[in-house]
Amino acid sequence: AQSVTQLGSHVSVSEGALVLLRCNYSSSVPPYLFWYVQYPNQGLQLLLKYTTGATLVKGINGFEAEFKKSETSFHLTKPSAHMSDAAEYFCAVSRGFNKFYFGSGTKLNVKP
Amino acid sequence: DGGITQSPKYLFRKEGQNVTLSCEQNLNHDAMYWYRQDPGQGLRLIYYSQIVNDFQKGDIAEGYSVSREKKESFPLTVTSAQKNPTAFYLCASSIGLADSTDTQYFGPGTRLTVL
Repeated sequence: AQSVTQLGSHVSVSEGALVLLRCNYSSSVPPYLFWYVQYPNQGLQLLLKYTTGATLVKGINGFEAEFKKSETSFHLTKPSAHMSDAAEYFCAVSRGFNKFYFGSGTKLNVKP
Repeated sequence: DGGITQSPKYLFRKEGQNVTLSCEQNLNHDAMYWYRQDPGQGLRLIYYSQIVNDFQKGDIAEGYSVSREKKESFPLTVTSAQKNPTAFYLCASSIGLADSTDTQYFGPGTRLTVL
């Protein structure tokens, strides 16, 4: 069975500090990996996705994620947090149509 | 602009009433999905449809019904049989590929509150 684990339901950082949101997946074969962001009372917006090729993936708003097969991880990072980054972030894996699995989400709080 | 629209944004329902949430997409996607989101529980799949006139139950289909008469539309009805319908409902669509490249795109959501 597929599963996605996001460590930390809440993460708090200061403005300008590094953002690190953790995601691990369980799969014998590397799936496609995604990060979504959700602002309050809005839908999920695709931040970035890993398909094949380069393991460091750059997304929107300065975020990036690195696929590490040996660690079955796909952590999301941003060098310098901005107040506008405060939102909930979801990691997801895909094995195809109707095989899309979401993590439970991590709420990012950015302190001034 | 291509995208997914959901209406209404906010919906209030009295106990015992059925309500229908609208979802429309102009992305020419074959697959569509309905999710329910509750605080701290992530997204849970209610129903999904790969093609017109076909749909399948997800993990929490009890108390819900759907139809897929047109490729662009996938309305969700929350029936009176749903015991705790207050939640945020998200519609999504994808091309519908069988391999891992299928990416889901989301609408803005509908917040349903039972009075």
